Amino acid sequence: AQSVTQLDSQVPVFEEAPVELRCNYSSSVSVYLFWYVQYPNQGLQLLLKYLSGSTLVKGINGFEAEFNKSQTSFHLRKPSVHISDTAEYFCAVSESGGSYIPTFGRGTSLIVHP
Amino acid sequence: DTGVSQDPRHKITKRGQNVTFRCDPISEHNRLYWYRQTLGQGPEFLTYFQNEAQLEKSRLLSDRFSAERPKGSFSTLEIQRTEQGDSAMYLCASSRYPDHGGYTFGSGTRLTVV
Repeated sequence: AQSVTQLDSQVPVFEEAPVELRCNYSSSVSVYLFWYVQYPNQGLQLLLKYLSGSTLVKGINGFEAEFNKSQTSFHLRKPSVHISDTAEYFCAVSESGGSYIPTFGRGTSLIVHP
Repeated sequence: DTGVSQDPRHKITKRGQNVTFRCDPISEHNRLYWYRQTLGQGPEFLTYFQNEAQLEKSRLLSDRFSAERPKGSFSTLEIQRTEQGDSAMYLCASSRYPDHGGYTFGSGTRLTVV
């Protein structure tokens, strides 16, 4: 079964600085990878996904992530953050050949300071 | 596309009471999922439907939890004899199979058991 580890529970950063949120996964088969964002008291919104092809994936709101198979990682990056990026970010993984039900990490709280 | 709707947004109930939550998915989506999210955790998968068939229910937390999706449209999640430990956010999501794990989530129903 797959598992996801988000290495940082909280990441504080100043506005306009770059940020990287780390995600590592474990699986014995090919995987699909996702990043979701959750604003307070709301559901999750899909930021980006890796299904196949180019390992660099671009998503909404200027975010991108890179799939690294050898490192089993899928880190999320943004070159310049805004106050409005303050939210909880979840990495998720699903496995090929199954029901595609993703397993979510525990989340990383991104806190952008002015 | 009106998104995934969940009702109610908030529910406060006394321990021992039954509660029912409703989810209306995106109309052209054939899959519907229920997740539970507790404070500081990622979403935890409960069950899912493909059209009206419930394809996985072994992850429902106990026999007090049940879900239905009559006619493959909206779905309900019922919790009988609620306990304080049931307090959480209950999230519904929908997708069009094969989705590989990229869902559209609703805003959730926050349950507080007192």
